[in-house]
Amino acid sequence: QKEVEQDPGPLSVPEGAIVSLNCTYSNSAFQYFMWYRQYSRKGPELLMYTYSSGNKEDGRFTAQVDKSSKYISLFIRDSQPSDSATYLCAMKENAGGTSYGKLTFGQGTILTVHP
Amino acid sequence: NAGVTQTPKFQVLKTGQSMTLQCAQDMNHNSMYWYRQDPGMGLRLIYYSASEGTTDKGEVPNGYNVSRLNKREFSLRLESAAPSQTSVYFCASSGSRGPGNTEAFFGQGTRLTVV
Repeated sequence: QKEVEQDPGPLSVPEGAIVSLNCTYSNSAFQYFMWYRQYSRKGPELLMYTYSSGNKEDGRFTAQVDKSSKYISLFIRDSQPSDSATYLCAMKENAGGTSYGKLTFGQGTILTVHP
Repeated sequence: NAGVTQTPKFQVLKTGQSMTLQCAQDMNHNSMYWYRQDPGMGLRLIYYSASEGTTDKGEVPNGYNVSRLNKREFSLRLESAAPSQTSVYFCASSGSRGPGNTEAFFGQGTRLTVV
């Protein structure tokens, strides 16, 4: 069983839809939770990050972390064709641990927003 | 502002050949990483270097070696390429220690095919 599980999709939605992307994880030591966006044939870029449990909002994007359920989500409101990309969740243990800096990624969800 | 630069961008190898993937960053980051990305598997860590002079194995190190040449450069070597090493390889770097430093910056990737 992988430490981080993410539904690979693909997910296809009409422009303007609300998109929900999710990951579950098994490692209780994960403290930092990130979402990366990867356009075709490009490297991943950080979209949002959250420390521990809670919500974080940035424009049309909202990240949620529920550590009690080991579940994280990314919501995209008013989705646009330019949001079409692969979305990868990533997690990291406490900065003081021996695994400092290493990110563990989910499989990535391919999202297409059609006009 | 170059960020993380990988060379080459594309490579085709025959089984048994060797090659070195080069990576350089100009952000004065301490930590550097090599990941591979395969369909349905997400990004998997091959090796990482927490700081200049140190390297450690990641999730999938077999068949690879690395060298942290200096603070800027981190190379990945395939001594005897196998078809199972066909993948997209990403180099990444991240800054100094600290709980708020979660962002990894990725290069554009190297698409490697082993025939």
